[in-house]
Amino acid sequence: DAGVTQSPTHLIKTRGQHVTLRCSPISGHKSVSWYQQVLGQGPQFIFQYYEKEERGRGNFPDRFSARQFPNYSSELNVNALLLGDSALYLCASSLVDQGTEAFFGQGTRLTVV
Amino acid sequence: AQTVTQSQPEMSVQEAETVTLSCTYDTSENNYYLFWYKQPPSRQMILVIRQEAYKQQNATENRFSVNFQKAAKSFSLKISDSQLGDTAMYFCASPSGGSNYKLTFGKGTLLTVNP
Repeated sequence: DAGVTQSPTHLIKTRGQHVTLRCSPISGHKSVSWYQQVLGQGPQFIFQYYEKEERGRGNFPDRFSARQFPNYSSELNVNALLLGDSALYLCASSLVDQGTEAFFGQGTRLTVV
Repeated sequence: AQTVTQSQPEMSVQEAETVTLSCTYDTSENNYYLFWYKQPPSRQMILVIRQEAYKQQNATENRFSVNFQKAAKSFSLKISDSQLGDTAMYFCASPSGGSNYKLTFGKGTLLTVNP
């Protein structure tokens, strides 16, 4: 069975640009969460979507936005990129939204130059 | 704000020995899960073990077990018979934000298993 897939795996962008990261959850999983992991730190919660509705938002600026599609895949968008947005972006999917086991993808490594 | 504290940035252990990683957390939830995740150099976060807070019995998964002290908000991970493949970053995570879906992670402990 396919796990959580994220694309692209690596990305280099210039300050001020826009980026879109994509995530496909495990088949049957309706909850998708996004995390930002800066080097040397634990992941920080950005968004959670369940059944295509935003269920939670972390302490991130409005430059960060996300959406979930009818097939439960999700996009994370970041506008006006800053150097500090350089990080590993992780997507996690779970069967329900009650915080049972979350399965993570391998992440997208974003470098802003 | 929810906090998860892992007080050991790095630890090392000899192959086949036992090691314990510490974690303390703060949550306002009454019914919640706690998790230990492993992140090897491949970057993928892998669930090691989870504990349901309303269960008094400590969770066990093969060589991995936890010592869950609910009143003290302590959730340590014990790895028995350490193997070279256990070398990784280990993150403790607890729920926050009024629901179990939003996880707060600690800063992690880098565990190195030496041959």
